[in-house]
Order: sequence, then structure tokens, then C-alpha cells
Amino acid sequence: DIQMTQSPSSLSASVGDTVTITCRASQNIRSYLHWYQQKPGKAPKLLIYAASSLQSGVPSRFSGSGSETDFTLTIGSLQPEDFATYYCQQSYSTPQTFGQGTKVEIK
Amino acid sequence: EVQLVESGGNLVQPGGSLKLSCAASGFTFSGSAIHWVRQASGRGLEWVGRVRSRANSYATAYAASVTGRFTISRDDSNSTAYLQMTSVKTEDTAVYYCTRGDDFWTGYYFAFDIWGQGTMVTVSS
Repeated sequence: DIQMTQSPSSLSASVGDTVTITCRASQNIRSYLHWYQQKPGKAPKLLIYAASSLQSGVPSRFSGSGSETDFTLTIGSLQPEDFATYYCQQSYSTPQTFGQGTKVEIK
Repeated sequence: EVQLVESGGNLVQPGGSLKLSCAASGFTFSGSAIHWVRQASGRGLEWVGRVRSRANSYATAYAASVTGRFTISRDDSNSTAYLQMTSVKTEDTAVYYCTRGDDFWTGYYFAFDIWGQGTMVTVSS
């Protein structure tokens, strides 16, 4: 199975900050990497697919980059509604696997 | 409206069985792969398994933690997928989500673009 490792596990930031979350795959997954946002008590929501493509309706302050094994999610100018947990996921091979999550909290 | 709606979550005793449903609307269900993902309280997301479309012979795949105990199926005529859980364990306690992914290449790289609201399964005596 492909292991997905996110860092950090949590972070504190202020409204207006730029936040960066990284995700590392245990083997080359090309661009089969996606980012999801999850708020408490809610289902995950797709933000970025194929490493860097913005899902329809997602604000442009969210961006993704990377390929093969190293990926980054950047949130520019953090907004109050962005405080949530973020997960990366690979769909390169079965079983699809998720990172352990990064909780973005208000400083 | 594009949506997935899960149902069937309940309290079940260890060793018991439960069947979850996932009703779809607003998109081409028959051409989609349907996945189940679970989340224990305070924990991360765990992929449980998936069923592919008829064109891919309704092929299924499962996480090692549920292989031999869980079965995923679908009824395209009713746009509904199912997760049959048997020999359940306390560690199966979680919110179970169904989610949609492409079953053929579309450039979406098989991301999960539609999610249900989840249904809670509690395994306890």
C-alpha cells in the first residue's frame, strides 16, 4: 500500500496568513493526488484534484503543486471559513489512501 | 441536485451484521465508481472499498481491514449502492461515507467529487 504522510499534523494561523501543508507519498504517484477539506460534523469536500487543478466553486486562494512524491497545498490569505482539517489522498493505486490530516486552527 | 444520501447506520452488537445504503441522484450513477470511506470519532479518513460500473464488471476491492467481512454491491436501476457489513468488530465503529469517483479516465484523476453526509455505525454490546 502507498503511505501518505502529511505535515504538520496541526497548525495555528491568523486570518490573512498564508498557510502551507505538505504531503509525501511513499512511492511515485505521478499527479494522482487530491486535497479535501473537512469541517466538524461534515463530509469531506474536494478542493484540488490532480495535484494542482482547482475544483469548480473552490476559491482561488487555494492552490496545489507537486508531482511524483512531494505535494503542497497552499491557502493564501486565510479566511475564517478555512479553519478546518485538510487531507491529501492518492488515487494512483488501490487501496486509495489518505494522509492523516492537518488541522488548521485559529491563533 | 447532485447528491448521495446514506442510510442504515445503527447500533449493532459485535459479530452482528448491518447493511448500509447509498442513494444517488443528479448524476450518471451507472457510469460511476462508488467508494465507501469511514471515519472513527476524532480520527482520519479510511478507504473501505469500492464497486466499479457494469462496464468494468462491477469489480470490487476492499481494504485489508474489512476483506472477507464487508461486501459492496450496487443496483443501477435504483441508483443505489450498498455496504453489507458482517462479523462486525468494535473497531468498525465509525461514520461511513459513500463517495463517487470516475470509473474511466476523464482527466479528473479519479478524485472523489461527490460525498454523502455520512451514516453512523456503532458496534457495541
